[in-house]
Amino acid sequence: SAVISQKPSRDICQRGTSLTIQCQVDSQVTMMFWYRQQPGQSLTLIATANQGSEATYESGFVIDKFPISRPNLTFSTLTVSNMSPEDSSIYLCSVLSGRSYEQYFGPGTRLTVT
Amino acid sequence: GNSVTQMEGPVTLSEEAFLTINCTYTATGYPSLFWYVQYPGEGLQLLLKATKADDKGSNKGFEATYRKETTSFHLEKGSVQVSDSAVYFCALSYNYGGATNKLIFGTGTLLAVQP
Repeated sequence: SAVISQKPSRDICQRGTSLTIQCQVDSQVTMMFWYRQQPGQSLTLIATANQGSEATYESGFVIDKFPISRPNLTFSTLTVSNMSPEDSSIYLCSVLSGRSYEQYFGPGTRLTVT
Repeated sequence: GNSVTQMEGPVTLSEEAFLTINCTYTATGYPSLFWYVQYPGEGLQLLLKATKADDKGSNKGFEATYRKETTSFHLEKGSVQVSDSAVYFCALSYNYGGATNKLIFGTGTLLAVQP
């Protein structure tokens, strides 16, 4: 399985600011995903990020609010823009194993917006 | 559309008790099915999976069988331990209609095992 790290692990941010979350993988992967886990709830897919193409966003998520970069096969960033308290969540990246088609998750970034 | 329904929690058991966490799904086509576990303060870990009907996934004493006729993937363990206390998520992934390997999660079931 892939080893995935995320930075920062947690942050407390002011309303109206933006935060960029980094996801680093120890091997090259084609598909990366970004999820949101709101307090006490399940995970919801934000977008799929493939290297060399625009991210594909799920219904209810837009690029202006959650811009994503995928500059190479081992790295991606998710920015949460113009934050409000409703954006307080855990944000997780995941990667798809090319051989087993299993998804492996990073440890998550716990974001609190005040 | 595609969806996953899990039994409500929390589930509270004594050590060595038998565990069942129910999971049913709705999907077009033939999804793969997964159980993920989230231990307190940790990230999501893949526990087991099944990719086709009648497959049984197993890991760490946990088992789940892909039942197409009942669209179910119930998680079972014969004897739980305190260390199994965690939130368990049932999920499906599908590849059709332009979608590739998207995971759809159930709401999660909190398991608390008491000594």
